[in-house]
Amino acid sequence: ETGVTQSPTHLIKTRGQQVTLRCSSQSGHNTVSWYQQALGQGPQFIFQYYREEENGRGNFPPRFSGLQFPNYSSELNVNALELDDSALYLCASSQDRGGSPENGYTFGSGTRLTVV
Amino acid sequence: GQQLNQSPQSMFIQEGEDVSMNCTSSSIFNTWLWYKQDPGEGPVLLIALYKAGELTSNGRLTAQFGITRKDSFLNISASIPSDVGIYFCAGYNYGGSQGNLIFGKGTKLSVKP
Repeated sequence: ETGVTQSPTHLIKTRGQQVTLRCSSQSGHNTVSWYQQALGQGPQFIFQYYREEENGRGNFPPRFSGLQFPNYSSELNVNALELDDSALYLCASSQDRGGSPENGYTFGSGTRLTVV
Repeated sequence: GQQLNQSPQSMFIQEGEDVSMNCTSSSIFNTWLWYKQDPGEGPVLLIALYKAGELTSNGRLTAQFGITRKDSFLNISASIPSDVGIYFCAGYNYGGSQGNLIFGKGTKLSVKP
């Protein structure tokens, strides 16, 4: 059983650019959630994807968007990057959208994004 | 965004000491979770609590779900060097239409010099 894998592990972008982060969910999981973790803070919920549709969104502007593919993998896209977007972006997969954290909600190691 | 109130923010431990941290919320949750995050890694689930008043152990770790459903604490007994890291509490409403976790800011455990 493979865990959650994210790519790339590190990324440096310039303000105003666009970025795409990728996540492969754990085997058997059909739901993917994305979190932003700024330095010294806890993770903040961005959005969740279930059956290829957005299923809940946190307090993030529309320039944060995502996709989920038929194999349940997911992408997070951020347009018009700002310096404050610098953070660790975590992907978590689970069996169902309201699933038990004991059986799901496995986090990847994250993508460290630096905007300069 | 919403974050839970977690304290202390940081603490130093000496091997063998017991450690205690807690988390409070203005909102009710039906699930409380405790995670540990090591540098360069994602959070790893330590303990999940599903019922108000529930006390659950996982080895040297013990956590309780507060009666009001607005708080939780985590105790670590007889700490060892590998306990160093950042501990996060998270509130969650299991079984709802959305599965988002609300995290605290974390408690950083370091070894006393």
